[in-house]
Amino acid sequence: EPEVTQTPSHQVTQMGQEVILRCVPISNHLYFYWYRQILGQKVEFLVSFYNNEISEKSEIFDDQFSVERPDGSNFTLKIRSTKLEDSAMYFCASSEAAGVGYGYTFGSGTRLTVV
Amino acid sequence: GDSVTQMEGPVTLSEEAFLTINCTYTATGYPSLFWYVQYPGEGLQLLLKATKADDKGSNKGFEATYRKETTSFHLEKGSVQVSDSAVYFCALTLRGKLIFGQGTELSVKP
Repeated sequence: EPEVTQTPSHQVTQMGQEVILRCVPISNHLYFYWYRQILGQKVEFLVSFYNNEISEKSEIFDDQFSVERPDGSNFTLKIRSTKLEDSAMYFCASSEAAGVGYGYTFGSGTRLTVV
Repeated sequence: GDSVTQMEGPVTLSEEAFLTINCTYTATGYPSLFWYVQYPGEGLQLLLKATKADDKGSNKGFEATYRKETTSFHLEKGSVQVSDSAVYFCALTLRGKLIFGQGTELSVKP
């Protein structure tokens, strides 16, 4: 079964450093997403991406965040200057389309710890 | 705005007990509804889904019925196993993004 692959599985970084979280979505999927889950809390939407541009972003997705699809396969989330409160599990997801009824496949996540 | 509310956890059951996890939603339109499961240390896995009113999603003995009149999508299983211990998330999608409930932790004791 096709999978969404995320790397690394764990990342520890110093506060103020830049991190890049990587995702390889399912190859025929067109919509890509990042979600975040702070430990013990709900899963929160960050951003959706389609046709090489952001289609929607949440209030959490401020200027320190950016996304990119640098080639035909990778989808990255960059956090420019990490803060302690950015510590969370970050999930990438992809879907074939954005309408109701289409499923989303999630990666297994990257656990980011900011120290 | 669109939102999902789940019953508070943790829920602790004995093996073979009946499970219900309540989920209600608020949406301006007719969303698709999902249950995702997160096993300890793992990512989110789709458990089941329903795309229109009165649809019943089912998988691995779990069931949920899309009830438009009560805006609910309660998760049920007739006989839980220790291996069902996980966090369960109810979610909806209407315009692309998924909106999740807060999650309900289920612990099943032998």
